[in-house]
Amino acid sequence: GQSLEQPSEVTAVEGAIVQINCTYQTSGFYGLSWYQQHDGGAPTFLSYNALDGLEETGRFSSFLSRSDSYGYLLLQELQMKDSASYFCAVRDRGGGADGLTFGKGTHLIIQP
Amino acid sequence: DAGVIQSPRHEVTEMGQEVTLRCKPISGHDYLFWYRQTMMRGLELLIYFNNNVPIDDSGMPEDRFSAKMPNASFSTLKIQPSEPRDSAVYFCASSPTQSVGTGELFFGEGSRLTVL
Repeated sequence: GQSLEQPSEVTAVEGAIVQINCTYQTSGFYGLSWYQQHDGGAPTFLSYNALDGLEETGRFSSFLSRSDSYGYLLLQELQMKDSASYFCAVRDRGGGADGLTFGKGTHLIIQP
Repeated sequence: DAGVIQSPRHEVTEMGQEVTLRCKPISGHDYLFWYRQTMMRGLELLIYFNNNVPIDDSGMPEDRFSAKMPNASFSTLKIQPSEPRDSAVYFCASSPTQSVGTGELFFGEGSRLTVL
């Protein structure tokens, strides 16, 4: 079966940089997604990596190493509005190839 | 454009009652997913449809759960009879084929179910 590991909570300071790691075990891996969810809200898509390397979208970047079954989300110039939970999710044959399997999420706490 | 629309947003019911959750996907999206979120288990995929056809229902917990998609603009998730352990937030998500391939799903605001 699939499993994803990410830290349950990370604390950072406003204006700083934070990295949220994700390791996974799957069969037939296709790609790794990242989602953001504010309390009481819906998960919203941030990024997707299918190939090794870094993808940058504004203040957010996502990295994937397929050989290490590892990825991370990098948030720069942290703002208070970035306080949320962040989920990594894999697309693989175990999810019917089209569904995503999510990690348990990392609660990001930002201090002023 | 309207996003994924779910109803009801909140439902409180008693054990043994039937619960029906509804979802209207984004127009033109040919994939529809039902997820359940709890603190203990996180976000779990229950079932998904492609072009109104159920593709994978291996995540449906038991026979008390059923899902239908009678047309491209409507889906239901039914729990009968409901139990306290079904208390969770149920999310519906939709996506066009090209976005499914890049891991992007569009989630509704969820239906928060409490079974007493």
